[in-house]
Amino acid sequence: NAGVTQTPKFRVLKTGQSMTLLCAQDMNHEYMYWYRQDPGMGLRLIHYSVGEGTTAKGEVPDGYNVSRLKKQNFLLGLESAAPSQTSVYFCASSLGPSRGTEAFFGQGTRLTVV
Amino acid sequence: GENVEQHPSTLSVQEGDSAVIKCTYSDSASNYFPWYKQELGKRPQLIIDIRSNVGEKKDQRIAVTLNKTAKHFSLHITETQPEDSAVYFCAATYNQGGKLIFGQGTELSVKP
Repeated sequence: NAGVTQTPKFRVLKTGQSMTLLCAQDMNHEYMYWYRQDPGMGLRLIHYSVGEGTTAKGEVPDGYNVSRLKKQNFLLGLESAAPSQTSVYFCASSLGPSRGTEAFFGQGTRLTVV
Repeated sequence: GENVEQHPSTLSVQEGDSAVIKCTYSDSASNYFPWYKQELGKRPQLIIDIRSNVGEKKDQRIAVTLNKTAKHFSLHITETQPEDSAVYFCAATYNQGGKLIFGQGTELSVKP
C-alpha cells in the first residue's frame, strides 16, 4: 500500500514548456486535490475532483488543467509554464465527507521554471 | 466566499509552554475542520480534526476547540517539546465537503 505517489519529484522547466504531473493513489479514494505551496502563502487549492471523470476549479486554477480519467489517477498539466508557477506541488486524496475526510498527501513535486 | 484566515504566521515558545493557533472561516464552510502538521521538507499530515457538532476534542497534548457562532477554531498544544517545531495548517471544507481550503500556516518554533 503506497498511499499517494507523485511523479516526478523534481523538475526544471524553461518558460513556455509544458509538462504533466501525475498523482496516483491506491486507497480507492473518491476525492483528489492538487495544491501549490509557496512561502507565506500556505497550501492553495488549484483543482480538485470528487470522482472519476469530474474536475472542478479551486482557488488558483489559472494556467493549469487537470484530468481524472481513472479513479486512482489525477493529472495536473501546465500548458505553457511561467516563472510564477515555480512552486512545490502537492497532491492529496480522501474518502470524502460522508466516509471520513482525512486527506493523505503525496511527497510533493518541486518545480522550477526558468 | 470560501476563505480561512490563520494567525499568527510565526510563533516562538519555550519548551514546556503552551502554544495556541487560531483560525477563522467564512460562512459557507461545511462541518469538518482538520489541522495538519508539516515538518521541514515533508508532506503535511493530519494531527487532529473536529466536526461542527462537537465543541472540543483532545488527543494527549493536543486539543482543538470550535466556536460555531464566532466562526473560529483553535489548536492548543500543551507542554510543548522541540519536536513540535513545524508548520501547522488549519483547514475547512466547502462545497458540501468537496473543497478543502487551508489557512496560510503558522511556523511554530519550540526553544529548548
